[in-house]
Amino acid sequence: EPEVTQTPSHQVTQMGQEVILRCVPISNHLYFYWYRQILGQKVEFLVSFYNNEISEKSEIFDDQFSVERPDGSNFTLKIRSTKLEDSAMYFCASRRGYEQYFGPGTRLTVT
Amino acid sequence: GQQLNQSPQSMFIQEGEDVSMNCTSSSIFNTWLWYKQDPGEGPVLLIALYKAGELTSNGRLTAQFGITRKDSFLNISASIPSDVGIYFCAGIANFGNEKLTFGTGTRLTIIP
Repeated sequence: EPEVTQTPSHQVTQMGQEVILRCVPISNHLYFYWYRQILGQKVEFLVSFYNNEISEKSEIFDDQFSVERPDGSNFTLKIRSTKLEDSAMYFCASRRGYEQYFGPGTRLTVT
Repeated sequence: GQQLNQSPQSMFIQEGEDVSMNCTSSSIFNTWLWYKQDPGEGPVLLIALYKAGELTSNGRLTAQFGITRKDSFLNISASIPSDVGIYFCAGIANFGNEKLTFGTGTRLTIIP
């Protein structure tokens, strides 16, 4: 069964550093998402991406964040200058119909 | 913004018991999804609901899309140890983007 994959599973970085989180969505899906989950809290929407552009972004997704689909298979989330409060699980999701399928997540720890 | 409140926040049950949890909102959602999350993993889709009043089953799981479109219910029958985890409802308010608004979660623990 096809699934969303994410790398790395855990990323530790120092405050102020740039990080890139990578995702490979399910191959015939057209809509891609990033969500964030701070430890012990609910999952929060960050950004949606369709047809090579952002279709919606939340208040969390400020100028420090960017997304890209550099080729036909990868979907990346870049945080330009990480802050302590960026520490969280980051989930990529993709969909074709209305059902979104999530990857296993990347745990980002900012020290 | 839109908020989804789940209750109960946590449940402690014995294996074999049935479980009920719900999700309510002050605003309308057009699609409801239920996910299960195990520690350190991503949410796994359990059931999707598309029409008000719809009742859908997936094995021992049954979910309903409330008539008002402001709530949804999930029932698990005859619980087993692998049912342990956090259950999240998620709603889609607007077609076209389909971003998910997640609920606050219900943590299910099975007492041996």
